[in-house]
Amino acid sequence: EIVLTQSPGTLSLSPGERATLSCRASQSISSGRLAWYQQKSGQAPKLLIYITSSRATGISDRFSAGGSGTDFTLTISRLEPEDSAVYFCHQYGYSPHTFGQGTKLQIK
Amino acid sequence: EVQLVESGGGLVQPGGSLRLSCVASGFTLTSYAMAWVRQPPGKGLEWVSSINYNGGYIFYADSVKGRFTISRDGSKNTLYLQMNSLRAEDTAVYYCAKAYSSGYYDPFDYWGQGTLATVSS
Repeated sequence: EIVLTQSPGTLSLSPGERATLSCRASQSISSGRLAWYQQKSGQAPKLLIYITSSRATGISDRFSAGGSGTDFTLTISRLEPEDSAVYFCHQYGYSPHTFGQGTKLQIK
Repeated sequence: EVQLVESGGGLVQPGGSLRLSCVASGFTLTSYAMAWVRQPPGKGLEWVSSINYNGGYIFYADSVKGRFTISRDGSKNTLYLQMNSLRAEDTAVYYCAKAYSSGYYDPFDYWGQGTLATVSS
């Protein structure tokens, strides 16, 4: 199975700054079938990005993503307090589906 | 508006069984692939099982294969997960998730609020 490793484990930034989250795959996801989810405390995950870089319906353009092969990135610009959450990457191009362990984003 | 509402979680002893349900509204269940994803308390997400739009393809994680069964009832627009021979490591919040489209190789664009299954003596 494809193992996804996210870094950093925790990120602490101030409002207005930019966050860069990394997701590295143990083998190439050549299909680009990689998604990102946001999970706020006590809530279900919410789809942000799919097929590497496409924003889901209703997602702010402050969220952008890219990458290829084994290295993928989620960027959140102009951070707001409401962005505090855990962010997970998810590969759905190979069986079984797998998720990264998550990056916790704290807004100071 | 798409909504997914899970139920059926609870406390069960090791070796016991639970049947989770997920009632879908705002879309036709049999037009999309569906999945169960679990999250142990304080931990990350683990995909458990998927069923494609017509029920012709069903997939399970190795950790639950032979013990869990995914199914659905189109007339009730409801997804199920029958969980047998439960173990302590199956303790988690179980989320029902709708796939973006009809197949297994799709992301999950809507999630329910989850139901907690606790396996303990």
